[in-house]
Amino acid sequence: ELKVEQNPLFLSMQEGKNYTIYCNYSTTSDRLYWYRQDPGKSLESLFVLLSNGAVKQEGRLMASLDTKARLSTLHITAAVHDLSATYFCAVDNNDMRFGAGTRLTVKP
Amino acid sequence: KAGVTQTPRYLIKTRGQQVTLSCSPISGHRSVSWYQQTPGQGLQFLFEYFSETQRNKGNFPGRFSGRQFSNSRSEMNVSTLELGDSALYLCASSFIGISYNEQFFGPGTRLTVL
Repeated sequence: ELKVEQNPLFLSMQEGKNYTIYCNYSTTSDRLYWYRQDPGKSLESLFVLLSNGAVKQEGRLMASLDTKARLSTLHITAAVHDLSATYFCAVDNNDMRFGAGTRLTVKP
Repeated sequence: KAGVTQTPRYLIKTRGQQVTLSCSPISGHRSVSWYQQTPGQGLQFLFEYFSETQRNKGNFPGRFSGRQFSNSRSEMNVSTLELGDSALYLCASSFIGISYNEQFFGPGTRLTVL
């Protein structure tokens, strides 16, 4: 059974700092997605990663995929308060399996 | 293009009752998936429908069922409600592409079972 593990589960950052969220998964897949969820809201699609070595960037967020290591990373550069949210990775292996989510808080 | 819509947004039921939730996908999307989100278990996959057929099913009891209509709208039914069914139920639609399946989520239905 496909397992998706994210770490850390909780992350408190200072504004302006950099950090990386990790997403490991247990079976072969080359389709990985990152989502953002604000409190009380639904999930918003951030990135779609479809091949080994794929890298996508949007603003202060950059996501990458290493299918051989079964690892995706979401890198945050110079964090700002607006990035505070919960971030989920999801792996598509005929059905979507989500990680537990990383609750990010960016403090001034 | 209108997004995924879910109705109702909030629902309060008592144990033993049944409930039906509705999801209208983005126009042109033929796949609809349902998820249950709770603080303790996180996001859990319930089932996926494509062209009125259930394609995949998660590990939930038979009290949870769904269907999809010819216009791709989907309903999810939970019978004999239990307290543990209190959750945010999210629906997601996707256009099944050749290589990927990006899902777009609706606002969710928050179900409270008393």
